[in-house]
Amino acid sequence: AQTVTQSQPEMSVQEAETVTLSCTYDTSESNYYLFWYKQPPSRQMILVIRQEAYKQQNATENRFSVNFQKAAKSFSLKISDSQLGDTAMYFCALSGSRLTFGEGTQLTVNP
Amino acid sequence: EPEVTQTPSHQVTQMGQEVILRCVPISNHLYFYWYRQILGQKVEFLVSFYNNEISEKSEIFDDQFSVERPDGSNFTLKIRSTKLEDSAMYFCASSGTTYEQYFGPGTRLTVT
Repeated sequence: AQTVTQSQPEMSVQEAETVTLSCTYDTSESNYYLFWYKQPPSRQMILVIRQEAYKQQNATENRFSVNFQKAAKSFSLKISDSQLGDTAMYFCALSGSRLTFGEGTQLTVNP
Repeated sequence: EPEVTQTPSHQVTQMGQEVILRCVPISNHLYFYWYRQILGQKVEFLVSFYNNEISEKSEIFDDQFSVERPDGSNFTLKIRSTKLEDSAMYFCASSGTTYEQYFGPGTRLTVT
């Protein structure tokens, strides 16, 4: 069975600073994808960034980047230059035939 | 940009009633999913659908649940006899591959 663990239930950061959200996972698959989803108060699930396990290069999308450590089964999200609109719940997810989600990290960006 | 749509955005129903949640996946996608999120909890997989049949379902997806693709665009989730514990946000997702899934805005189901 696949598992995803997010050990930080809540985090806060000052506007314009950098924050890193942690995620670890476990899977027996050799090829898989990892995702970070953002869920603002509207509760819509918004795809932030994806990482293909067979790619060594860490994915980057504007202010969002990941640190993918395949051997350690770690997949952290770094948000640079944090903005108030980044305040949301962030879920790490692992692909397979279904998506397996972590418990989520509530990120608050303070002015 | 294509997106997944869901209706209604909020549904209130009485315990024991049947509800149908509707989704229109992205038009060229082939895989369809339903997920559930009870308030304050993580998102949980319910069922996946491909080639007009269920490809996988979770232990949550019991006989009270069913899915259907009644035409070329809609994808529905039916709950036959709702329980209080079915109150949750229900998300539809679609994928053009088996990996990257795009989510709809969700339907908030409240069972009273």
